[in-house]
Amino acid sequence: QKEVEQNSGPLSVPEGAIASLNCTYSDRGSQSFFWYRQYSGKSPELIMFIYSNGDKEDGRFTAQLNKASQYVSLLIRDSQPSDSATYLCAVGRNRDDKIIFGKGTRLHILP
Amino acid sequence: DTAVSQTPKYLVTQMGNDKSIKCEQNLGHDTMYWYKQDSKKFLKIMFSYNNKELIINETVPNRFSPKSPDKAHLNLHINSLELGDSAVYFCASSQDLAGGRDTQYFGPGTRLTVL
Repeated sequence: QKEVEQNSGPLSVPEGAIASLNCTYSDRGSQSFFWYRQYSGKSPELIMFIYSNGDKEDGRFTAQLNKASQYVSLLIRDSQPSDSATYLCAVGRNRDDKIIFGKGTRLHILP
Repeated sequence: DTAVSQTPKYLVTQMGNDKSIKCEQNLGHDTMYWYKQDSKKFLKIMFSYNNKELIINETVPNRFSPKSPDKAHLNLHINSLELGDSAVYFCASSQDLAGGRDTQYFGPGTRLTVL
């Protein structure tokens, strides 16, 4: 059974600090890794994707992938109250296979 | 100009009834999905269609039947509704199958409550 694990939180981070969200996955054959943000009562929206080992930066967001450790993380710099949401990690193996979502981490940015 | 739209937004019904949820995307994508998100916010895929062909059919009771009349539409019909069917159902679409590298765009969700 392929699994994607996340700490459910809530993770409380002061405004302006760095929020660090972590995700581990069980399928070594996973090739695609996504971070979705979901505000309460809303639908998930993609904020980052990463395919290769290392870091990928986009504005205040950095995704980090370590395939050897089967670990993917999302860093949010200069956290804002508007970053308060649930962050879903999602993992894909290949084109024809399903994307598996983690249960999400609730992030709360303290003003 | 909603990219992925679903109707209805809310659905309250009695156990044993049959109901349908409709989904439409205007992004020109080839692939559409149905996801179920339970009360614990766990998002799990139910079905995916690529060019109207069923690609993924997860372990879902056969009371759930998807229908894709064309690439832009994917409807979900549920027979004999049960209490455990209460959840938020999200439709999504992507250019190609998202197990590769394509971004999925989600609809606003349909909150189904079975009484």
